[in-house]
Amino acid sequence: GENVEQHPSTLSVQEGDSAVIKCTYSDSASNYFPWYKQELGKRPQLIIDIRSNVGEKKDQRIAVTLNKTAKHFSLHITETQPEDSAVYFCAASSSAGNMLTFGGGTRLMVKP
Amino acid sequence: GAGVSQTPSNKVTEKGKYVELRCDPISGHTALYWYRQSLGQGPEFLIYFQGTGAADDSGLPNDRFFAVRPEGSVSTLKIQRTERGDSAVYLCASSLRGGRNSPLHFGNGTRLTVT
Repeated sequence: GENVEQHPSTLSVQEGDSAVIKCTYSDSASNYFPWYKQELGKRPQLIIDIRSNVGEKKDQRIAVTLNKTAKHFSLHITETQPEDSAVYFCAASSSAGNMLTFGGGTRLMVKP
Repeated sequence: GAGVSQTPSNKVTEKGKYVELRCDPISGHTALYWYRQSLGQGPEFLIYFQGTGAADDSGLPNDRFFAVRPEGSVSTLKIQRTERGDSAVYLCASSLRGGRNSPLHFGNGTRLTVT
């Protein structure tokens, strides 16, 4: 089955700096890659996703890149703000039913 | 509109007892998923329903775990003879149709503690 690795496990940045989180996946058939943000004690919330026919997608301060050849994808957050502090999860799906395999998460801390 | 609703939000039970966890998906969503999230880890897939039928139950850890969705809406996850290792947050998600063009929307989860 699919295996998703996520790095780093924790990331501390100064407000205004950029943050980058990287994920690798094992199943070359995976074709959908969402990113979720989870605040303490709350539900995971979808913040951006990318499909395998696209190399990059951007939404305001958030962007995601996908390298299918290398089987890795990354989340980029620019101009970080304290409210960006949360745990971020990447995921991959190769199935028709869209069952997601999640990475282990990255705890992002943005210092004011 | 209303999101995915899960009840109870917290459940404490003794080892060996039976528990039921309920999920009410977003109205009109045909696909429903159960995940389990242990502390400090990503959600782990358990089971996926398309309508009333379990389309994929490959993530259920053993036969103590069972889930139903009899009318294609509300789902119940059932755990028999609970063990301390079952302690986790159980997350439910739904999507409009399943498939990669239908993002998953998660509920707040049920925190299960087995003492």
